[in-house]
Amino acid sequence: GQSLEQPSEVTAVEGAIVQINCTYQTSGFYGLSWYQQHDGGAPTFLSYNALDGLEETGRFSSFLSRSDSYGYLLLQELQMKDSASYFCAVRDLRGYQKVTFGTGTKLQVIP
Amino acid sequence: GAVVSQHPSWVICKSGTSVKIECRSLDFQATTMFWYRQFPKQSLMLMATSNEGSKATYEQGVEKDKFLINHASLTLSTLTVTSAHPEDSSFYICSATNRGGISGGLYNEQFFGPGTRLTVL
Repeated sequence: GQSLEQPSEVTAVEGAIVQINCTYQTSGFYGLSWYQQHDGGAPTFLSYNALDGLEETGRFSSFLSRSDSYGYLLLQELQMKDSASYFCAVRDLRGYQKVTFGTGTKLQVIP
Repeated sequence: GAVVSQHPSWVICKSGTSVKIECRSLDFQATTMFWYRQFPKQSLMLMATSNEGSKATYEQGVEKDKFLINHASLTLSTLTVTSAHPEDSSFYICSATNRGGISGGLYNEQFFGPGTRLTVL
């Protein structure tokens, strides 16, 4: 099976940098994704790492270390609109590539 | 591109009734659709994986006779919550993917619908 752990809540100041960690245990790892979800909304895809290293997309970066079963999402130049829940997710290599979501981290950006 | 819609966006029903939720991929053919349920302040929990023209694969603990899934075409999957009870009240979200890759490559990103909030009285 799959299990992913994240901190439940993080608070950061507008303009700052925040890192959201994710540790996972999987039986078939195909890649680590990150999703953002605002209250009442659907998840939106942020990034994907299949290989070790850092992937940068604008203000957001995502890192993966497969040997450590660990990844993180880095948000720079935080804006108030970044207040949301963030989920890491692993994709199953088998079958229909189902995605298992982490426990989620609620980020609150304060002025 | 890659838009997924859900209908209805919210529904309130009486206990014991059945509710059907539709998930449509609007501009691509979805070979696989996934149904998730999310309770307040919790993560998304996969309920079932649906492939066009075949029976859905349900996750452990999900009653297939209660949550009926039909994936009749490459652009439509439906979830019917039968004999709904208050504990079924939740946010139901579908996602769709194209095994061939919408933008090419090996990674088949999932595109999520806006969700359906079900309240059972």
